[in-house]
Amino acid sequence: GNSVTQMEGPVTLSEEAFLTINCTYTATGYPSLFWYVQYPGEGLQLLLKATKADDKGSNKGFEATYRKETTSFHLEKGSVQVSDSAVYFCALISPNAGNMLTFGGGTRLMVKP
Amino acid sequence: KAGVTQTPRYLIKTRGQQVTLSCSPISGHRSVSWYQQTPGQGLQFLFEYFSETQRNKGNFPGRFSGRQFSNSRSEMNVSTLELGDSALYLCASSLAATELSYEQYFGPGTRLTVT
Repeated sequence: GNSVTQMEGPVTLSEEAFLTINCTYTATGYPSLFWYVQYPGEGLQLLLKATKADDKGSNKGFEATYRKETTSFHLEKGSVQVSDSAVYFCALISPNAGNMLTFGGGTRLMVKP
Repeated sequence: KAGVTQTPRYLIKTRGQQVTLSCSPISGHRSVSWYQQTPGQGLQFLFEYFSETQRNKGNFPGRFSGRQFSNSRSEMNVSTLELGDSALYLCASSLAATELSYEQYFGPGTRLTVT
């Protein structure tokens, strides 16, 4: 079956620090990959996506590259802000699983001023 | 364009009762999916509806059911509530006519507490 593994949090960083959240996946077929963000008390917001190998998704200073050879989709940001504090979810949609998102466990990011 | 709306936002029910949650997708979106989010199990797929038909179903007992109306609005129902059904229930809508790559847009969720 499909699965997504993320680094466990919480990740605590100082403002302007570099962020990496690791994500690896197992899927049949050729999945599309996503990062979602969840702020306290809210639903999920799509942060970025990539649909084929070597695609780089980017948004709001965040980026992630679809690495088929390592089955990874690590999230990075060069300089985090306090407002980036949230829970980040890596997810995939696999060709054989319809429109069903498979999520990782989520990584809580805390950014201190 | 209005986003995905879910009602109610908060709900408290007693064990054994049933509950119905509602989701209105983004205008033009025909696919609606439901997910359950709990601290222990994370985000789990419940089911997806497209053009009033259930297209995919996750691994949940038959107490969890859903439906979609001709205007794409969807409801999910949980019968005979158990304490373990306490969760945030998220609805997501998508343009997806076929699989793959279509972004899913999530509503704010309904927080269900079973006592």
